[in-house]
Amino acid sequence: DQQVKQNSPSLSVQEGRISILNCDYTNSMFDYFLWYKKYPAEGPTFLISISSIKDKNEDGRFTVFLNKSAKHLSLHIVPSQPGDSAVYFCAASSNSGNTPLVFGKGTRLSVIA
Amino acid sequence: DTAVSQTPKYLVTQMGNDKSIKCEQNLGHDTMYWYKQDSKKFLKIMFSYNNKELIINETVPNRFSPKSPDKAHLNLHINSLELGDSAVYFCASSLRTFKNIQYFGAGTRLSVL
Repeated sequence: DQQVKQNSPSLSVQEGRISILNCDYTNSMFDYFLWYKKYPAEGPTFLISISSIKDKNEDGRFTVFLNKSAKHLSLHIVPSQPGDSAVYFCAASSNSGNTPLVFGKGTRLSVIA
Repeated sequence: DTAVSQTPKYLVTQMGNDKSIKCEQNLGHDTMYWYKQDSKKFLKIMFSYNNKELIINETVPNRFSPKSPDKAHLNLHINSLELGDSAVYFCASSLRTFKNIQYFGAGTRLSVL
């Protein structure tokens, strides 16, 4: 039972354009969401998070949008750079982030120069 | 300096053997985790330890036994290895439990033949 779904296994984007990675969740108790980025042969690294009291959080080129009614979040990367090519994992937690993270399967982003 | 380090990076072994994976963090964190990423690419939590005490055991077979000699180390011992144990195992740590950002090791790829 996938509680966190990343339905696009891969995405290709031209350098300089916007990358939009999507994530859907089914558990209405989730109230804290994170994006992790993973390069080959490395562990995931934290990118950005959002609490359910917000609908947007921005950090430099990265913005996460949360639509609670649709149980959907998205990560926008603007402008995309070749170094952004990686696998992006969406993760969710409940009880204000005090329960184990539940991860999606990841989306592989390729930014083409 | 590697914040969360795991050894070995690769482990190839026969069914029925016993093996251990070591994990150390130098971040001064209180909580450490073991995750399993299986062939379907889901990253799932196995165990969580806070200050050497087990706080989460997510329906993992008894053949898996974590050991935390101190809060900077969380080792994973696996008895009687089975084919289905083949996966990438990630260690992680966070300042406190769950809500804080988790820092991951590079992973140990276990192949059971």
